[in-house]
Formats: sequence, structure tokens, C-alpha cells
Amino acid sequence: DQQVKQNSPSLSVQEGRISILNCDYTNSMFDYFLWYKKYPAEGPTFLISISSIKDKNEDGRFTVFLNKSAKHLSLHIVPSQPGDSAVYFCAAKSSGTYKYIFGTGTRLKVLA
Amino acid sequence: SAVISQKPSRDICQRGTSLTIQCQVDSQVTMMFWYRQQPGQSLTLIATANQGSEATYESGFVIDKFPISRPNLTFSTLTVSNMSPEDSSIYLCSVRPRDRGNTIYFGEGSWLTVV
Repeated sequence: DQQVKQNSPSLSVQEGRISILNCDYTNSMFDYFLWYKKYPAEGPTFLISISSIKDKNEDGRFTVFLNKSAKHLSLHIVPSQPGDSAVYFCAAKSSGTYKYIFGTGTRLKVLA
Repeated sequence: SAVISQKPSRDICQRGTSLTIQCQVDSQVTMMFWYRQQPGQSLTLIATANQGSEATYESGFVIDKFPISRPNLTFSTLTVSNMSPEDSSIYLCSVRPRDRGNTIYFGEGSWLTVV
């Protein structure tokens, strides 16, 4: 039972353009969502998060949007840079717990 | 965020042996977790390391296979016992710092290959 899904295994974007990574979830008890970037041979690096009481959070080039009714969140990267090429994981935490469920990841390739 | 150090960073292990992975954090944290990422897969929570008591294991993971210790607020170990090739994975230590709300951070990971 995959509670957090990233349906696009890969995405290619031109440098300078917007990258949009999507994540869907099924559990309405999730109250906190996070995005991580992972390079090969490294641990995941935290990027940005959002509480379920918000619908948008922005940090520099990164913006996360949350649509609770659709159980969907997205990460926007503007402008995309070649150094953004990595695997991106979304994760969700259930209310009242500290158990984090991760999606399967989307490999982003930013073309110079 | 906390600085999280894992050792070893990489190892090749013989089938049937055991290996202990160490995780050291540079500040006191409220929670420590151990995750596994098998090749091409997502991150899966193995257990929550509890200070001074037995870890809390997720479904599919048992203490005999993955014994965990957490003697204090900044250190934990995960042992992968009686290894088989199916245990070849990245093992990741994760922490929830005191002052970072609900965000968790990861160490660099320990890449184990079982031959």
C-alpha cells in the first residue's frame, strides 16, 4: 500500500526553466510534508517543508504547493540549474506520530 | 541543522557476517531513526531508536536481524546481522533536532554490499 506516490520516475528540464515535481498521497492523517534532494552516494538533503494548515511555502528558488482536497503536493524549482539534477523524494508525516513515509522518487535532469 | 556522521560510509561484507553502523550527531536530538534504501527503491523506516530502551521496529523488521542501540541523545548503532545479498542497501541514520519542528535530517548513509 503506497501511501505516498511520485508517478513520474524521471523529468528533464532546460536550464533556466521551471521544474515541477509532483507527489500524491492517500492518507488524510498526514499533517506535514517534506521534500528532499538526493545525489548518488549521498544521504538525502532537506529542501523545504509545508504544514497541512498551509497551501504554499517558499524558500528561494523552491516553492511547495499543497492541495489538501486533491491530496496532492508539488515542488516548483525556478529557475532550474544543472546542479539541481538529482533524485527528489517527497515525504509525509502522520498526525500524532513521527513516522515519515517516502515516495519512490523522481529523477530530475536539468539540461544546460 | 544537525551534523550527522555515519561510519562506515561503505563496506563489502561476506554473507553470514554481521556489521554495525554507527551514527553520531553533533547536538542533542529528540528522535533518531534508521532507514534503508534498497537499490532503485524508496526510503523505508526500519525502526525508531529510543534512548535507554528497546527500539520501536516497523512491520517487517525484527530486533534479531537489526539490533539497535541508543545509549545517549547523540549516538546510535544499527547492526545488520547474518547478512545475505538481499541486505545490500544504503542504511541511513536520521534525526529530528530539538529546534527544527517536524523536519528530519539524514546522515550520508552507509552503503553495504553483501557478497
